[in-house]
Amino acid sequence: EVQLSESGGDLVQPGGSLRLSCVASGFPFSSSEMTWIRQAPGKGLEWVSSTTSSGGGRWHAGSVEGRFTISRDNSKNTLYLQMNSLRAEDTAVYYCARYDHLSGRIFDIWGQGTKVTVSS
Amino acid sequence: EIVMTQTPLSSPVTLGQPASISCRSSKSLVHSDGNTYLSWLHQRPGQPPRLLIYKISNRFSGVPDRFSGSGAGTDFTLKISRVEPEDVGVYYCAQTTQFGITFGQGTRLEIK
Repeated sequence: EVQLSESGGDLVQPGGSLRLSCVASGFPFSSSEMTWIRQAPGKGLEWVSSTTSSGGGRWHAGSVEGRFTISRDNSKNTLYLQMNSLRAEDTAVYYCARYDHLSGRIFDIWGQGTKVTVSS
Repeated sequence: EIVMTQTPLSSPVTLGQPASISCRSSKSLVHSDGNTYLSWLHQRPGQPPRLLIYKISNRFSGVPDRFSGSGAGTDFTLKISRVEPEDVGVYYCAQTTQFGITFGQGTRLEIK
């Protein structure tokens, strides 16, 4: 079964750090580009970060540049998002998704999401 | 950054009737490779989004043919020919022509 499963979301104080994980199964993770997308409570979708299949290429939204880092371990079929200097506005459900560049630059597989709350 | 603007933000519809959602981008979504990378996604309450339409008008695997997409350049439309109960939720357009990827603010479809 094709699946993405996120974990690592938690309640953290402003200025704190968190690392999210996303484990993939049922598709060739090591040849897939991957993305993090977030959704603040009651709000729409916001692209956060993307990485190439090798991890050598990484892109981050301006709102998280310098604070968040996307990475991956293809031997573990796992995508990560290291989140530092967290702010209240980072509070959201974080989804990992496969980004299929060749089929039309589409987000075709999504996880269920993990919730991050930044609050004192 | 390309801004994506959807209208309406809320759409009450009657079961069995058609529905239409518009999406406008702040610049052309035609890529240098000739393709237009405009997608539509649907999110049911408490669920992650799922892909419906890609490259303006291509239905993703398993998507019913009552969903159709059209448009060009900066103006795009998602149509549902006959709304069914499972179609409720929020619909988003998304552009992946240019990094950073951006989404519309969402259109909530609800049953009258």
